[in-house]
Amino acid sequence: GAGVSQSPSNKVTEKGKDVELRCDPISGHTALYWYRQSLGQGLEFLIYFQGNSAPDKSGLPSDRFSAERTGGSVSTLTIQRTQQEDSAVYLCASSYVPARQETQYFGPGTRLLVL
Amino acid sequence: GQQLNQSPQSMFIQEGEDVSMNCTSSSIFNTWLWYKQDPGEGPVLLIALYKAGELTSNGRLTAQFGITRKDSFLNISASIPSDVGIYFCAGQSWRTGTASKLTFGTGTRLQVTL
Repeated sequence: GAGVSQSPSNKVTEKGKDVELRCDPISGHTALYWYRQSLGQGLEFLIYFQGNSAPDKSGLPSDRFSAERTGGSVSTLTIQRTQQEDSAVYLCASSYVPARQETQYFGPGTRLLVL
Repeated sequence: GQQLNQSPQSMFIQEGEDVSMNCTSSSIFNTWLWYKQDPGEGPVLLIALYKAGELTSNGRLTAQFGITRKDSFLNISASIPSDVGIYFCAGQSWRTGTASKLTFGTGTRLQVTL
């Protein structure tokens, strides 16, 4: 497809389990971002990639959260030993940085519920 | 993480009415953006503002980048039922050739009654 895609769309897991969330950015986009949206809240920045490197990881809430990007394309956000407070919608966005004015395009999100 | 102050938190209006919402920040941004989010979807960009004082329209939407670079407002004229959704402002400190994160407002939930 032409847009940002994310999988799974929904994930229910038990407290203490690890989860992996995937993002496929728009083809050719050089930057990739992860945001988190808790129930009824705005979006909170987690991490971004420029190419395969992550210049800003400042938004990751704890060392249980990690992310990687390979081949300048797909990214995976991993949450280890999930806690109930990790329940949220995880949104991915991508952009073409060399553009004169960067525009971030969002995927539909992965809804994570930790029981 | 930081979130921008956005008001009102929610609005119930009648079809045909005009709507106004605003966003303020303690930090300066060089770009202000307004997004709309429908249920179960990711945010979609409505308007982007790149210069202090800039006033930009997109159909029935009008947005302004505050002179202080710490605020922005969005107006929707003659609202229709499909305007229902959550509207988010976002600030960005953007530089050419560099990716930069968005800092989002807390959102305004808009409901339109017939």
